[in-house]
Amino acid sequence: DAKTTQPTSMDCAEGRAANLPCNHSTISGNEYVYWYRQIHSQGPQYIIHGLKNNETNEMASLIITEDRKSSTLILPHATLRDTAVYYCIVRADKLIFGTGTRLQVFP
Amino acid sequence: KAGVTQTPRYLIKTRGQQVTLSCSPISGHRSVSWYQQTPGQGLQFLFEYFSETQRNKGNFPGRFSGRQFSNSRSEMNVSTLELGDSALYLCASSLAPGQLYGYTFGSGTRLTVV
Repeated sequence: DAKTTQPTSMDCAEGRAANLPCNHSTISGNEYVYWYRQIHSQGPQYIIHGLKNNETNEMASLIITEDRKSSTLILPHATLRDTAVYYCIVRADKLIFGTGTRLQVFP
Repeated sequence: KAGVTQTPRYLIKTRGQQVTLSCSPISGHRSVSWYQQTPGQGLQFLFEYFSETQRNKGNFPGRFSGRQFSNSRSEMNVSTLELGDSALYLCASSLAPGQLYGYTFGSGTRLTVV
């Protein structure tokens, strides 16, 4: 019952910005947008979350459209260690993971 | 601070047996969630515990059960193992339910059923 749509895979050159889109057209007013990533063979790791304002932390930036129906996670300077599956999650009660976007950062 | 600890890391069981997996949350975290990850189905939510009570449950058969102790440590049990139960089982801890930004995951227990 994931409520988001993400591209299956994306590539990004090392040092360039990686922009990962997510559609969540049925988002409710009290639901936040969360981003987690899973590096191979590890548990998922929290990246960032937001409600309606853009957010930035040491890992990434989150841009949410004004109508809240989509968002973009931005890794400003991707490195090889950012290669992972990125999950966009829209929930109010529990973390439900969709299929995510497999980001491959290449040299 | 110590992270989320899952034991054992690897496990091989025979069809029909039962298995118990353990998860020790980060100190101070009182909520524990369990997930099953397989190549075909991805990361699927099993259940969530807070203050020794199951708060949420995913769509898994009754063979999957769990519990939480007063020190917040949690165990999950799978009875009558099937080949399809082979998976990576992950647990996550957080301070309280609903704080979805604060989940910290363990490294998982890889269960192989033969």
